[in-house]
Amino acid sequence: GQQLNQSPQSMFIQEGEDVSMNCTSSSIFNTWLWYKQDPGEGPVLLIALYKAGELTSNGRLTAQFGITRKDSFLNISASIPSDVGIYFCAGHSTGANSKLTFGKGITLSVRP
Amino acid sequence: DTAVSQTPKYLVTQMGNDKSIKCEQNLGHDTMYWYKQDSKKFLKIMFSYNNKELIINETVPNRFSPKSPDKAHLNLHINSLELGDSAVYFCASSHLGTGANTGELFFGEGSRLTVL
Repeated sequence: GQQLNQSPQSMFIQEGEDVSMNCTSSSIFNTWLWYKQDPGEGPVLLIALYKAGELTSNGRLTAQFGITRKDSFLNISASIPSDVGIYFCAGHSTGANSKLTFGKGITLSVRP
Repeated sequence: DTAVSQTPKYLVTQMGNDKSIKCEQNLGHDTMYWYKQDSKKFLKIMFSYNNKELIINETVPNRFSPKSPDKAHLNLHINSLELGDSAVYFCASSHLGTGANTGELFFGEGSRLTVL
């Protein structure tokens, strides 16, 4: 089945630093999405990307849909303590049995 | 107002029991989902319903039976609970739209199931 690869499993950064996360797949997706999960909560959508090559920003977050449609990255600039959480990439394919496939997530820790 | 609400938030039960988790969304979405998140935080889809009709049924034991009385509700009933069923179960909803489900899901807060 489709799999999304996110690594490393955990990242530790200092407050104020920028951080970049990648997500790769062996399959092509029509949509790439990034979700964040805070402790004890459900995932919340951060950014959705719909076209290959698309670069989208949401505040301090920037994400890109790779040209090959098999990868995406998320950048967080000037990190703050509330950026801690688990960041999931997700790919969506249309057509029969279309569904959202999640990566395994990256747990981000921000040291004050 | 909570957009996607699940009850109960916590559920502790003995092996072999039967339990249900309820989910309701007030977003007017036409598609609802159940996801299972294991101890390693991996999110795996279990079921998806569109307008009360089952459209995704992943490889899930038939002890798990979803029921959608209307498009705003999707409940999950689990029979003969096993230790391995312990996880956080998330309900989610989305709008299928005119031909393309973009994958923009709204999740509930999760229901943590512990089987002893």
